[in-house]
Amino acid sequence: AQTVTQSQPEMSVQEAETVTLSCTYDTSENNYYLFWYKQPPSRQMILVIRQEAYKQQNATENRFSVNFQKAAKSFSLKISDSQLGDTAMYFCAFMKHNNNDMRFGAGTRLTVKP
Amino acid sequence: NAGVTQTPKFQVLKTGQSMTLQCAQDMNHEYMSWYRQDPGMGLRLIHYSVGAGITDQGEVPNGYNVSRSTTEDFPLRLLSAAPSQTSVYFCASRDRGGVTGELFFGEGSRLTVL
Repeated sequence: AQTVTQSQPEMSVQEAETVTLSCTYDTSENNYYLFWYKQPPSRQMILVIRQEAYKQQNATENRFSVNFQKAAKSFSLKISDSQLGDTAMYFCAFMKHNNNDMRFGAGTRLTVKP
Repeated sequence: NAGVTQTPKFQVLKTGQSMTLQCAQDMNHEYMSWYRQDPGMGLRLIHYSVGAGITDQGEVPNGYNVSRSTTEDFPLRLLSAAPSQTSVYFCASRDRGGVTGELFFGEGSRLTVL
């Protein structure tokens, strides 16, 4: 079974600074997807960014980017120019290609301080 | 566009009572699933369905039943609630034929079993 590990239960960052959230995963598969979801206090799960394992280029979405290291099975999220609205729980998730089971890490609670 | 709609948003039950969490999506997604979210454990898959009439178990299925009679609806039933089922429940759907793998989530239902 695939497992997803987020080793940082809580993090904080000053507004406008950069923060990196860590995620590692364990799989024997070669073709899969990785995701970062954001859960603000409203509880809604919002997709932040996704990465397909066969793509070597790291995904970026505005202020959000990932560092995907396939050999190391690492998928970290970098948030640049942090904003107060980035305060949320962040979940890393893994899903095999053509599979029905998305596995989530335990989450990292990020607080952006003014 | 409503997306994924869950009801109720909050529910308090007594041990042994039964209830159904409702989930409906209007995106014509074949795949639907139920997750539970517990502190420090992320989201764990309870049951999922890949189409009307087809359901399967996820990581933590015990104590829960599901059925899928239509593409739109995927209710989750607790036949005899236990305090261990106190949690936040999320329904999610995705397009199985899609290339992104992204899951679309409802707003969650907080269940407390006394």
